[in-house]
Amino acid sequence: SQQGEEDPQALSIQEGENATMNCSYKTSINNLQWYRQNSGRGLVHLILIRSNEREKHSGRLRVTLDTSKKSSSLLITASRAADTASYFCATGQGAQKLVFGQGTRLTINP
Amino acid sequence: DAGVIQSPRHEVTEMGQEVTLRCKPISGHNSLFWYRQTMMRGLELLIYFNNNVPIDDSGMPEDRFSAKMPNASFSTLKIQPSEPRDSAVYFCASSPDSRDQPQHFGDGTRLSIL
Repeated sequence: SQQGEEDPQALSIQEGENATMNCSYKTSINNLQWYRQNSGRGLVHLILIRSNEREKHSGRLRVTLDTSKKSSSLLITASRAADTASYFCATGQGAQKLVFGQGTRLTINP
Repeated sequence: DAGVIQSPRHEVTEMGQEVTLRCKPISGHNSLFWYRQTMMRGLELLIYFNNNVPIDDSGMPEDRFSAKMPNASFSTLKIQPSEPRDSAVYFCASSPDSRDQPQHFGDGTRLSIL
């Protein structure tokens, strides 16, 4: 069963704007990860945040984690056309198992 | 560095036929995962191996599905007999053997059962 639930399911913005995607989950986790998937390709890991961390940055990406609310957000700043993809959150459970959400389809309009 | 390699990229076959999907993980990665992705159910973990041993196969849909990992550099996912509802994209991923590690995905096998 899918634990992570992304919100919104689809997001369309103009190039240069910021994109924010949210993820909620239900059980305790070891970590939360965000992945990107371009059409016809496999998932690509973007960023991992551990359960004892609250915020993490990587380039134009900013991830927050609120374990009390069981939620996370992914912020992409200064979006580009190449950021058009589906974005998935995945919760790390147990030693290595990941449970993926349904994803957010992000479209960046030029 | 070579990533996770899956073959074939596309497979079209008739129901009832045996289907074998193949995966070569990244060298040095001790964990290997098989996923299935559909529009209806999203990305589902089917089975994962650690050091060639199956650890969790609770996601395998039914006895028609089987997976093996005979050595550290090769794994197969077999469906016999195949059914139209097995049509999906099947992904293989690998990761190092420790907690808090990202998974590296192959580009998947798009399977169509007619």
